[in-house]
Amino acid sequence: DAMVIQNPRYQVTQFGKPVTLSCSQTLNHNVMYWYQQKSSQAPKLLFHYYDKDFNNEADTPDNFQSRRPNTSFCFLDIRSPGLGDAAMYLCATSRDSRGQGLVGYEQYFGPGTRLTVT
Amino acid sequence: SQQGEEDPQALSIQEGENATMNCSYKTSINNLQWYRQNSGRGLVHLILIRSNEREKHSGRLRVTLDTSKKSSSLLITASRAADTASYFCATGEEYSTLTFGKGTMLLVSP
Repeated sequence: DAMVIQNPRYQVTQFGKPVTLSCSQTLNHNVMYWYQQKSSQAPKLLFHYYDKDFNNEADTPDNFQSRRPNTSFCFLDIRSPGLGDAAMYLCATSRDSRGQGLVGYEQYFGPGTRLTVT
Repeated sequence: SQQGEEDPQALSIQEGENATMNCSYKTSINNLQWYRQNSGRGLVHLILIRSNEREKHSGRLRVTLDTSKKSSSLLITASRAADTASYFCATGEEYSTLTFGKGTMLLVSP
């Protein structure tokens, strides 16, 4: 079945120790998103890729970086995790139509990676 | 902010009852989407309703959209324990990205 896969499902890292979360998709969607979701809060968009075009949200901290080496894979790098970065990180994909823009289609989410910072 | 606001924040009902959740937003939108999130999991898309539509159905789900009031409602009929989850509305202006609301936590008791 076509899907969005995130690895690992649970990640524990130490304060200040770089960590990378991965996302892969078999849907062949051209848009990939990374969201941060803290407990009982809305998912917050960090950035998205439109094909290879990287789009950063204005309030995303510089501590967060992303890479998309090909259509199927996207990585979230947290260079120096702080205690406030502990959260669920969600990857999502969508199609896009020039006529509809990014909001024109539903997003498909992975199961998320729960990040703990000790 | 374009963020939608769901109401109520939490809802507790018995199996078989209907559940209604509301979403209000502030600016004009291209469409409005509803998503479900089971505890500790990713979001699952439920329904997308476009700005020129007023009502949409999918199984036991009914979504309405009133662009004049900038509001939407999600009705789940004949609820089941498996419907227990958080429900989020998401809105987006044309050529923008989606913004999610804080969600309604629904608890359906057997």
